[in-house]
Order: sequence, then C-alpha cells, then structure tokens
Amino acid sequence: LAKTTQPISMDSYEGQEVNITCSHNNIATNDYITWYQQFPSQGPRFIIQGYKTKVTNEVASLFIPADRKSSTLSLPRVSLSDTAVYYCLVGDGPIGAGSYQLTFGKGTKLSVIP
Amino acid sequence: NAGVTQTPKFQVLKTGQSMTLQCAQDMNHNSMYWYRQDPGMGLRLIYYSASEGTTDKGEVPNGYNVSRLNKREFSLRLESAAPSQTSVYFCAGRGTGYTGELFFGEGSRLTVL
Repeated sequence: LAKTTQPISMDSYEGQEVNITCSHNNIATNDYITWYQQFPSQGPRFIIQGYKTKVTNEVASLFIPADRKSSTLSLPRVSLSDTAVYYCLVGDGPIGAGSYQLTFGKGTKLSVIP
Repeated sequence: NAGVTQTPKFQVLKTGQSMTLQCAQDMNHNSMYWYRQDPGMGLRLIYYSASEGTTDKGEVPNGYNVSRLNKREFSLRLESAAPSQTSVYFCAGRGTGYTGELFFGEGSRLTVL
C-alpha cells in the first residue's frame, strides 16, 4: 500500500497561491492520486484526481511529475473559506484500477490569514 | 437523493456497552468504508467492503465488526466499547464514476465513558 507524507500545517495570506506537496514513494502503477478537503465536523470531499502530468478543474490544479513519487495540489488565490485540512490519497481512481484499501495520511492543515 | 446517511449522529456509551453504527447509501456504490477520526488526526480505515457480501480489515479493525447487509447498508458494531474508541466515525461509499472517489457521510460522534 502506498503511504503518503504531507506537511502537517501551512499558513497563507488571502489571495496567495498555495502549493501542498505529497510524497508517495511506493506508488503502484495502477494507483491514481486524489486530493480531498475536510472542514471541521464534516466528512472529506473530493477536490481533484490525476494519474500523471497536470490536471486542472474549477477549484485546483494537480501536478504530478513523471516518476509519480510526489504530487502537488495548487490552490489559486486562496480565501478564508479555503481554511481546511487537505488529504492526499493514493489508490482510488476508476474501479479496478487501484486498491480497494484506501488509507489516508494525516493531512495538511491549511490556515488562511486575512 | 440523500447520498450517504449515518445514524446516530451522536452517542454516549459506558465502557463495556455495545452498539451498532448504521450507514446507508442511495448512490449505487459497490464499495463502502468505515473510518475513524480522532481529534487532530487523520482518518484511519477500520473496515471496508469491496462489494456486497465481502468485508476486509483495514488499519485499525480490533474491537470492531462489520456487516454488509445488502448493497445499500454497511454497519459497524462495537461489541464491548472502550474509552479508546471515543472518536468520530465516518462511513463512505466509493463512486462508480471515472474517478472512483469516496463520498462521505456526515459522521457519527461517539463518546465512551
């Protein structure tokens, strides 16, 4: 099972771009990389997923280098409402592509400062 | 379309008591999961069910049992609750779309005295 390592916490000012990096040295060939966001007293929710190179959606970008041993979640121009815990998950993706045993790391607590 | 529903939302138990946390989904998920989250910690996988009729242990299964009653329901049972099981429990279903993302319930906050 691919384990993930992320910084425990990060601070950022409003309006700045935030990059959170996740290390996953033993990622398997079939594993996808997914990022989740969790607000206090809520379950995590999906942000973005990728397999390689770059993926962008309306809220974030995900950068994955060729060796896939790390990934970087990029949040453009963060606001106070982006204050949350962000988790990198390795293994889900299209059903059958990765593992069913989906384990989270400790996540990165992002605090956005006015 | 309620998504993933957990009951109860809050529960207080005494040490040694038993209880079952219920989880039901109406999103046609084949795979379902139970996680626990302790204060300031990430989510730890307790048990999962890859498909109806199968269950497997996760990272922290000791003290818990699960039942995948049918495709919709996946319950978590504490046979003899201990204070160390005080936590917030999250149930999730795995989507059948391209991303296979997890859809979480709102959580069940359990306190064991």
